[in-house]
Amino acid sequence: GDSVTQTEGLVTLTEGLPVMLNCTYQTIYSNPFLFWYVQHLNESPRLLLKSFTDNKRTEHQGFHATLHKSSSSFHLQKSSAQLSDSALYYCALSESNMGYKLTFGTGTSLLVDP
Amino acid sequence: EAAVTQSPRNKVAVTGGKVTLSCNQTNNHNNMYWYRQDTGHGLRLIHYSYGAGSTEKGDIPDGYKASRPSQENFSLILELATPSQTSVYFCASGDATTSQNTLYFGAGTRLSVL
Repeated sequence: GDSVTQTEGLVTLTEGLPVMLNCTYQTIYSNPFLFWYVQHLNESPRLLLKSFTDNKRTEHQGFHATLHKSSSSFHLQKSSAQLSDSALYYCALSESNMGYKLTFGTGTSLLVDP
Repeated sequence: EAAVTQSPRNKVAVTGGKVTLSCNQTNNHNNMYWYRQDTGHGLRLIHYSYGAGSTEKGDIPDGYKASRPSQENFSLILELATPSQTSVYFCASGDATTSQNTLYFGAGTRLSVL
């Protein structure tokens, strides 16, 4: 079945430094749909950004990610971390933009220090 | 903004007891989902539904049943609760045709099985 791998359980960095959270996936489907969800403390997950277009950069709220089908990756980046970015980030995969089932990774906790 | 409401928000149950978690959505989404969230495991799919009367097994369905009596309501049932089912449960709704399967999550139910 589908799987999503987020290798870092916890990322700690100083405010102002760049952010990169890794996400790789495995699927048998040729047109996967990739998502990043963010969950702040005591809140529920909400969509941050999504993409199904190969090699096209997607941006939202200062974050960006590019789906690379050749390497099965969808890493999340931001040029300068803010204290408010501290949260749990999930990468997720759907078999297509019409797929019913969404498979999540184990999540990466981002902690931004002043 | 999508509205997904879960009840109860907190529940303490005894081992062997029956637990029902309820979810209501007012978005007219076809798809509904039940996930559990555990540290180190992320969000794992228990059951999902793509319309009234349908239920499908997710990745970890053992020990859980689901019911979708209407478009708006989706319940998760633990017939014989066990301590291993202590977790935070999230319901979500989504629609492949209108939102490219973006999921909208409820606030979560914290379940403790003693």
